[in-house]
Amino acid sequence: AQSVTQLDSQVPVFEEAPVELRCNYSSSVSVYLFWYVQYPNQGLQLLLKYLSGSTLVKGINGFEAEFNKSQTSFHLRKPSVHISDTAEYFCAVRFLAGNTPLVFGKGTRLSVIA
Amino acid sequence: KAGVTQTPRYLIKTRGQQVTLSCSPISGHRSVSWYQQTPGQGLQFLFEYFSETQRNKGNFPGRFSGRQFSNSRSEMNVSTLELGDSALYLCASSPGTGPTGELFFGEGSRLTVL
Repeated sequence: AQSVTQLDSQVPVFEEAPVELRCNYSSSVSVYLFWYVQYPNQGLQLLLKYLSGSTLVKGINGFEAEFNKSQTSFHLRKPSVHISDTAEYFCAVRFLAGNTPLVFGKGTRLSVIA
Repeated sequence: KAGVTQTPRYLIKTRGQQVTLSCSPISGHRSVSWYQQTPGQGLQFLFEYFSETQRNKGNFPGRFSGRQFSNSRSEMNVSTLELGDSALYLCASSPGTGPTGELFFGEGSRLTVL
């Protein structure tokens, strides 16, 4: 079965500390991978995406993610977080079989503590 | 370029009523997708329309319906509202062609059912 799992529902971290938000997926077909961010009372904004090529992808606001095909993971990282990074982060997967919709994980709430 | 516009942003209904939500996609985008976001379930796919045709449908009861007009604007309707329909309804658009899968989201319509 095709699924997306975000292992942590909440991640508290101190300001200027590094953070990693984990995402794993299950699939028997090729995939495109995305991370979105949602600030309070707003829609989702694309942080970064992996379609092909280099497995290390850089996005906006200093975030990056690495695609690991053998571990079917796409973890999001930032070396030093700011208060303004407090938001909910969603991993999303497009399974490349037929015309399937974008499937989202349940989200990870990142709280940056001053 | 204007983003995805959703109206209304907030609305309150009572059980048994019906509601219609509207979405105007980014100019030139022909695909519109709808998602329901709740704290417990995350983002769940409702349906996708492309060039006025429903291209994909999620696992929701028949009370949830949608349509797309020739100008790519879309509406979704929920009839006989239940308390559990309280959620943020997100609309997203994409060019609709090509396999990138990236979606551009509106800010959502927050529905409260009393």
